[in-house]
Amino acid sequence: QSVLTQPPSVSAAPGQKVTISCSGSSSNIGDNFVSWYQQLPGAAPKLLIYENNNRPSGIPDRFSGSKSGTSATLGITGLQTGDEADYYCGTWDSSLSVGVFGGGTKLTVL
Amino acid sequence: QVQLQESGPGLVKTWETLSLTCTVSGGSISGYYWSWIRQPPGKGLEWIGHMYYSGSTTYNPSLESRTTISADTSRNQFSLKLTSVTTADTAVYYCARGPYASGRYYILRFDPLGQGILVTVSS
Repeated sequence: QSVLTQPPSVSAAPGQKVTISCSGSSSNIGDNFVSWYQQLPGAAPKLLIYENNNRPSGIPDRFSGSKSGTSATLGITGLQTGDEADYYCGTWDSSLSVGVFGGGTKLTVL
Repeated sequence: QVQLQESGPGLVKTWETLSLTCTVSGGSISGYYWSWIRQPPGKGLEWIGHMYYSGSTTYNPSLESRTTISADTSRNQFSLKLTSVTTADTAVYYCARGPYASGRYYILRFDPLGQGILVTVSS
């Protein structure tokens, strides 16, 4: 059971928008920055969002991140079939002194 | 740009030691934290631990008693040793640059990650 809670799956049609939630507590999301990772089938995870809402160079602005209290959200607009992947949130837990991830959300673009 | 490549045995016997090396190219390991993350087949990501290039380490408490992460700055490599492995340690192991220190805590930003190496533990 993961410290951070994500929905197991989400789906939407091409061109639409989807959001993926990540719920935690005051000792992890509430106290630290959140990052998001995209894992395409058979590939390694890739950083999508860091420090809650920043995109690394090369990540399109279709991807966005936000944080409020003990929850974070990844938003993806203009969905493409190439966005089908597993998405993970991650942060530091100040109480456990450990890096923690969500269980992952599988995005299906119908 | 910085690239990471994991190497090591793909098969380890039960109760033996898993040893992996991460070779960093396109940049120096100096000045950064470096991590190991693993992913059991069909499951999510688990942070194993990290080290600063100078040698200080932080480990996942659930694995701390069996884990050692160390660096060889002359070879621009860092390594993972996990002792007394069981089938529960079967996973794809990724090395990564990060996290970043933020006061007493860390910003869990991993970029880049290596392509990963599947390690199977079997008797």
